[in-house]
Amino acid sequence: GDSVTQMEGPVTLSEEAFLTINCTYTATGYPSLFWYVQYPGEGLQLLLKATKADDKGSNKGFEATYRKETTSFHLEKGSVQVSDSAVYFCALRLAGGTSYGKLTFGQGTILTVHP
Amino acid sequence: EPEVTQTPSHQVTQMGQEVILRCVPISNHLYFYWYRQILGQKVEFLVSFYNNEISEKSEIFDDQFSVERPDGSNFTLKIRSTKLEDSAMYFCASSQVQTNEQFFGPGTRLTVL
Repeated sequence: GDSVTQMEGPVTLSEEAFLTINCTYTATGYPSLFWYVQYPGEGLQLLLKATKADDKGSNKGFEATYRKETTSFHLEKGSVQVSDSAVYFCALRLAGGTSYGKLTFGQGTILTVHP
Repeated sequence: EPEVTQTPSHQVTQMGQEVILRCVPISNHLYFYWYRQILGQKVEFLVSFYNNEISEKSEIFDDQFSVERPDGSNFTLKIRSTKLEDSAMYFCASSQVQTNEQFFGPGTRLTVL
């Protein structure tokens, strides 16, 4: 079945460090890929998305490129801030067929950024 | 900015009791979803709901679970006879159409004793 695997966490960084959170997927067909972020006490928010191979999603300094050949969608940010501390979820959604928008999530990665 | 709300934020119940988790989706959205996250595990899809009927459900969503949109604003998840393993964070989400962004509520933490 369809699945998403994220790198083991948690991740602890100093402010201004470079961030990479790895995400790989297994899917039948051609999924759309997403990164969601959850700040403490809040719901999941869409951070960025990509709907086809080689698309790059970007938002708030975060980027991720849809790599079909490696079935990956790694999240990167060049310089993290304390305010980026949150839980990050990689997810996929199959396009069309019998899917009604169901998201399949990875296990989440806790990011803590220290001043 | 419109948002999805959920009540209560935390529900504690005894095993075997019925619970109803409530959600108010964004007002012009047509698709509604429930997900859950058992502590330390992945966020898992439970069910999607459109046009007053279930459009897709996972194998987790057995006869103990039901969903309802009792009026024009609320969307509820009922667990008829809770088990210890139902303890989890339950997230409601909604979207305008199935391919649009899903907006999530803050979640209800369910603890079954």
